Amino acid sequence: DIHMTQSPSSLSASVGDRVTITCRASQDIINALAWYQQVPGKAPKLLVYAASNLQSGVPSRFSGSGSGTDFTLTISNLQPEDFATYYCQEYYSVPPSYIFGQGTKLDIK
Amino acid sequence: QVQLQESGPGLVKPSETLSLTCTVSGDPISSNSHYWGWIRQPPGRGLEWIASMYYSGSTYYSPSLKSRVTISGDKSKNQFFLTLNSVTAADRAVYYCVRIRSYVDVWGKGTTVTVSS
Repeated sequence: DIHMTQSPSSLSASVGDRVTITCRASQDIINALAWYQQVPGKAPKLLVYAASNLQSGVPSRFSGSGSGTDFTLTISNLQPEDFATYYCQEYYSVPPSYIFGQGTKLDIK
Repeated sequence: QVQLQESGPGLVKPSETLSLTCTVSGDPISSNSHYWGWIRQPPGRGLEWIASMYYSGSTYYSPSLKSRVTISGDKSKNQFFLTLNSVTAADRAVYYCVRIRSYVDVWGKGTTVTVSS
């Protein structure tokens, strides 16, 4: 089974900062990786798919990169609405298992 | 615009069966353009995929829940369903119905399920 590990589990930052969240897969998943943002009390929202493709409507300050086992989500020029929890998810497995990372909580410093 | 809406009882007794419905608007579940599925989130915890299906017949289940879960659909009502048997306190969570195109591109708002006698 594929295991997804995010780091850090939490981080604090200020409006205007640039932050990077890392997701590591336990085996090569090519680029079958998505990133989601979840605001408390709301459903997750798709930000990035195929490791680096920005979902329609997502601000360009969000970017994803990586392939194989190591992936990153970068948020530039943090805005107040960006303080949320972020999850990575693999969709490489066959049959599917849709394993999520444990989440990274981003809060205001 | 595709929208998904979960419905079902908010409270289920231990050992009983949880049944949830997802009503889809804006995309026919029978089109086979996407999978349809369920994901849950226990309080204060992360996301767990439960099950997914192609309307044409393919179904997939989380190995940890496979023995207790069934996913199915009704194209006449454009709905799909989740049945979870023998629930325990560990099944307390927010349950989301989702549209899957490999990744999850559309989420319902979620429905909270509590397990208590």
